[in-house]
Amino acid sequence: TQLLEQSPQFLSIQEGENLTVYCNSSSVFSSLQWYRQEPGEGPVLLVTVVTGGEVKKLKRLTFQFGDARKDSSLHITAAQPGDTGLYLCAGRGLTNAGNNRKLIWGLGTSLAVNP
Amino acid sequence: EPEVTQTPSHQVTQMGQEVILRCVPISNHLYFYWYRQILGQKVEFLVSFYNNEISEKSEIFDDQFSVERPDGSNFTLKIRSTKLEDSAMYFCASSRTGGGYGYTFGSGTRLTVV
Repeated sequence: TQLLEQSPQFLSIQEGENLTVYCNSSSVFSSLQWYRQEPGEGPVLLVTVVTGGEVKKLKRLTFQFGDARKDSSLHITAAQPGDTGLYLCAGRGLTNAGNNRKLIWGLGTSLAVNP
Repeated sequence: EPEVTQTPSHQVTQMGQEVILRCVPISNHLYFYWYRQILGQKVEFLVSFYNNEISEKSEIFDDQFSVERPDGSNFTLKIRSTKLEDSAMYFCASSRTGGGYGYTFGSGTRLTVV
C-alpha cells in the first residue's frame, strides 16, 4: 500500500517568516502534485514535479522532488496571510492501471500565517 | 479560466435513498475522476473514467456506486442506497491527459446522510 505522510500537520507562523513542509513516502511515484485547499472548496493544483531532483518555483513557493521520487518539500519564503490554507501533496502511483492512474493523498499541512 | 462545475453544492438525504451527484468537466478534458473526503480525513480515490468506461476503481467503489457520462457533457456519480458512512465531500476532477501533470477539481458536493 502506498502512503504519503505530510509534516508538520499544523503550522502557525508570523507574517514574513519562512517555512518548509514535507511529504514523505517509502514508495516511488511517477509524479507528485501539490495542491492547496480552502475550507469547503476543492483542491487547487499548485505544481507537479515529475523528475527526481526537480525544483520548481512559483513566486515565493519552491517545490522540490526527491532524487528517488519518494519525497517532496514545499518551501515558502516570507509567508503572507494569504498563504493560509491546507497544503496537500498527492502522488501518482506506478501501478499499471491504465493511463490515468489514481492519486495517493497525504493528510495535509494546515498553515496559518498571522499578520 | 475553465473550471469543473459540480451540483448540488450540498445534499441532505435519508439513509437508503438514492443520490446522483453531477459534474461538468472541462470541455476538452478526456479523463474524469471522483474522489471523496470525509471530514478530517484524507482525500480518497473512488473511480477514474476514460473513453466511456471505468479505468480504475477503489475498494470503496462497490456495487452501490456507479458512474455515467450520459450526454458527452455531464459526468455523474450515483449512490444507490446511501449509508451514514457515505457522508463526505465528493469531488469531481478532470484532466486533459492521464493526470500525470495535475487535475482540475470542482468545488465539491457536501453529502450528508441522515
